[in-house]
Amino acid sequence: DAGVIQSPRHEVTEMGQEVTLRCKPISGHNSLFWYRQTMMRGLELLIYFNNNVPIDDSGMPEDRFSAKMPNASFSTLKIQPSEPRDSAVYFCASRGDSSGANVLTFGAGSRLTVL
Amino acid sequence: QKEVEQDPGPLSVPEGAIVSLNCTYSNSAFQYFMWYRQYSRKGPELLMYTYSSGNKEDGRFTAQVDKSSKYISLFIRDSQPSDSATYLCAMSVGNNRLAFGKGNQVVVIP
Repeated sequence: DAGVIQSPRHEVTEMGQEVTLRCKPISGHNSLFWYRQTMMRGLELLIYFNNNVPIDDSGMPEDRFSAKMPNASFSTLKIQPSEPRDSAVYFCASRGDSSGANVLTFGAGSRLTVL
Repeated sequence: QKEVEQDPGPLSVPEGAIVSLNCTYSNSAFQYFMWYRQYSRKGPELLMYTYSSGNKEDGRFTAQVDKSSKYISLFIRDSQPSDSATYLCAMSVGNNRLAFGKGNQVVVIP
């Protein structure tokens, strides 16, 4: 298995532009998570899906952030309009029900810089 | 009070030393306790997990959970330069949201 695949790995954009981050979870995993990591705040859960349905989006900072999971093999996190304070590494993670102990497998992350 | 506290201060040790990391937490309902390792520019990867209290050993790594003190630890014996990474503790109630610590950067000096 190729693991959790994220794209792009790096994104540099200007304030006000739309940013779309993409994630392909591990085949067969039915839960998908989006996290944001910064030095100041560490890893923060933004939203998670179970069977393609958003379960908890309480971590989404504001309306500028939106996430979708149109099918079991693809999810997007969109920021519109982007702001410099959105600069962070965004991780996608997936989990299968059989993992038992709430074990997440993370992707390599998308490093976002908003100028 | 934060749910999970982990002192993010960097830790430098000579090769072969024992590395000791710990986290404290406030939610007594936490059942699953994990340690993730994160290499630079990579995503976190699961290192070890334990359920409820007790010790778990895997090679050079030992995880301890003391639920009465709300305290968990990770020990790395005979540390190697390849152990240089950031170590994050994480915990949850069942399959609910994982709460992460901020992570400890460990540098093992050859």
